Amino acid sequence: ETGVTQSPTHLIKTRGQQVTLRCSSQSGHNTVSWYQQALGQGPQFIFQYYREEENGRGNFPPRFSGLQFPNYSSELNVNALELDDSALYLCASSTGLAGGYEQYFGPGTRLTVT
Amino acid sequence: GENVEQHPSTLSVQEGDSAVIKCTYSDSASNYFPWYKQELGKRPQLIIDIRSNVGEKKDQRIAVTLNKTAKHFSLHITETQPEDSAVYFCAVRPVGTSYGKLTFGQGTILTVHP
Repeated sequence: ETGVTQSPTHLIKTRGQQVTLRCSSQSGHNTVSWYQQALGQGPQFIFQYYREEENGRGNFPPRFSGLQFPNYSSELNVNALELDDSALYLCASSTGLAGGYEQYFGPGTRLTVT
Repeated sequence: GENVEQHPSTLSVQEGDSAVIKCTYSDSASNYFPWYKQELGKRPQLIIDIRSNVGEKKDQRIAVTLNKTAKHFSLHITETQPEDSAVYFCAVRPVGTSYGKLTFGQGTILTVHP
């Protein structure tokens, strides 16, 4: 298992609400990427954080936002939740620009929007 | 943007047989090609990867081959075992994008029958 952890494990929210998901990266990793995995599909890139700044974004609206902290942990915030936001949210850490390309995933947070 | 096609979507083999999964990509400048294994309810696990300057890489029963001219790469699993049963995803990192941005294929459900 990787050293990447995520919380919470599961979450149920109502449409229109806001949610914050958390990720702790593997020791020595300074880059965190967030992915959305809908049921039966591959992960889709949301954005990446490197040294506390967003460094690349996929095709997701601005209501998906994030933060990275000095200890390289990260948060994913989603505002105005929609039913289609129901998915497994994965974070992945890597050594980023200073190292190799390998990314290691956390266990994910299962978000259900009702 | 990058487009990744993965085939087959499902693959059923007998224990001991070989399994091959193929992915094609659209951006000829892509330079990193990992494969992930995801068991039910678990995180995607990096099992092998290859960079664009290498044609083949092997790790015990698993190998990946890359054909840059044809823009496809394949995962080969030999002497399959029931514990190889999982969903396998290929991914591509387009050059010039942030290091965290992987574009994933749709996944292959591999079932190994004892």
